[in-house]
Amino acid sequence: KQEVTQIPAALSVPEGENLVLNCSFTDSAIYNLQWFRQDPGKGLTSLLLIQSSQREQTSGRLNASLDKSSGRSTLYIAASQPGDSATYLCAVLSGYSTLTFGKGTMLLVSP
Amino acid sequence: SQTIHQWPATLVQPVGSPLSLECTVEGTSNPNLYWYRQAAGRGLQLLFYSVGIGQISSEVPQNLSASRPQDRQFILSSKKLLLSDSGFYLCAWSGGGGVSNEQFFGPGTRLTVL
Repeated sequence: KQEVTQIPAALSVPEGENLVLNCSFTDSAIYNLQWFRQDPGKGLTSLLLIQSSQREQTSGRLNASLDKSSGRSTLYIAASQPGDSATYLCAVLSGYSTLTFGKGTMLLVSP
Repeated sequence: SQTIHQWPATLVQPVGSPLSLECTVEGTSNPNLYWYRQAAGRGLQLLFYSVGIGQISSEVPQNLSASRPQDRQFILSSKKLLLSDSGFYLCAWSGGGGVSNEQFFGPGTRLTVL
């Protein structure tokens, strides 16, 4: 059974810092990995999708890497802003249509 | 562009009452559709998914059911709600025909069972 772990559970940083969120998964037989953002009481916004054959994806200040063999992914956020404050979720697609989520990292960026 | 709608946004229901949550997708055809639940302190859990009209797969045994009466409509139901059914229900879609397609989520329905 696939299990996804995200570390840290919560992170508080001052504005402008670069930061790294970590995600690990137990079964390396995945189709893809997605990073999502969730604001309080809201749905999920897809940030980046990395296919199993890819090593990384970039979107603006966000960069996600994938090391499938070791079961790890990182989300790098450059020059953090208060608007980046949210919960970040990592999810892996390992069965047909079966997306397994971590419990998320709650990020607070203070001005 | 594609959009996904869910209603109602919030719902408070007594134990034992029925439930019907609706999800519709616009701007795409033959999507795969999904229902997830996010309970307090727990990760998102896949409840049901559908690859076509009338085709429903259940991931977790429970007192909930799902139906897909139209290509872009997905309904989550219960005949009698339990306290443990409280949570945040999210509908999602992905492009049909591909296993590794990106999933996109709706705004969610907050259900409180009293």
